[in-house]
Amino acid sequence: GNSVTQMEGPVTLSEEAFLTINCTYTATGYPSLFWYVQYPGEGLQLLLKATKADDKGSNKGFEATYRKETTSFHLEKGSVQVSDSAVYFCALGRGDYKLSFGAGTTVTVRA
Amino acid sequence: NAGVTQTPKFQVLKTGQSMTLQCAQDMNHNSMYWYRQDPGMGLRLIYYSASEGTTDKGEVPNGYNVSRLNKREFSLRLESAAPSQTSVYFCASSESASRQETQYFGPGTRLLVL
Repeated sequence: GNSVTQMEGPVTLSEEAFLTINCTYTATGYPSLFWYVQYPGEGLQLLLKATKADDKGSNKGFEATYRKETTSFHLEKGSVQVSDSAVYFCALGRGDYKLSFGAGTTVTVRA
Repeated sequence: NAGVTQTPKFQVLKTGQSMTLQCAQDMNHNSMYWYRQDPGMGLRLIYYSASEGTTDKGEVPNGYNVSRLNKREFSLRLESAAPSQTSVYFCASSESASRQETQYFGPGTRLLVL
């Protein structure tokens, strides 16, 4: 079936540290891949997406590359800020129009 | 633009009570979704509506019903609430039902069933 597995948290970092959150997927066909972010007390919002293999999504200093050979879509940011503290969800857009979400990774950035 | 709005923000119910969660979007989107979010489980799809006039079950539909009232509004009803339905509920919408489309989420409704 279609599913997403992402790195368990919580992750605690100091400001300006490098952040990586691993995400791997299992899918039939050609899914799209997304990273959504949820700030405290809010709904989810799209951070970035990639719709085909080798595409790179980027936004707000975050990047992720759709790797078909390793079935991965790891999220990276070179220098995190306190404002990046949030829960990050990897998601897979399936052929039946539904999104499959990972369990979420809580990231806390300390000043 | 308000985007996706949900009411109420927070609700406490007793077991067996019923309630309807309201959702509206002002982006002229065709597709709408209801999810529940539970700790450690990500978001799970309850029901969705690919277009006005259609609704379909998602992964966890038991105990819920939905109504696509018009293109803007998509409500979720709990007929007889159970403690297992304690969760945070999110409504979302997208321009169309496509694996490439971004979904836009509301702020959520926190539901506690005692």
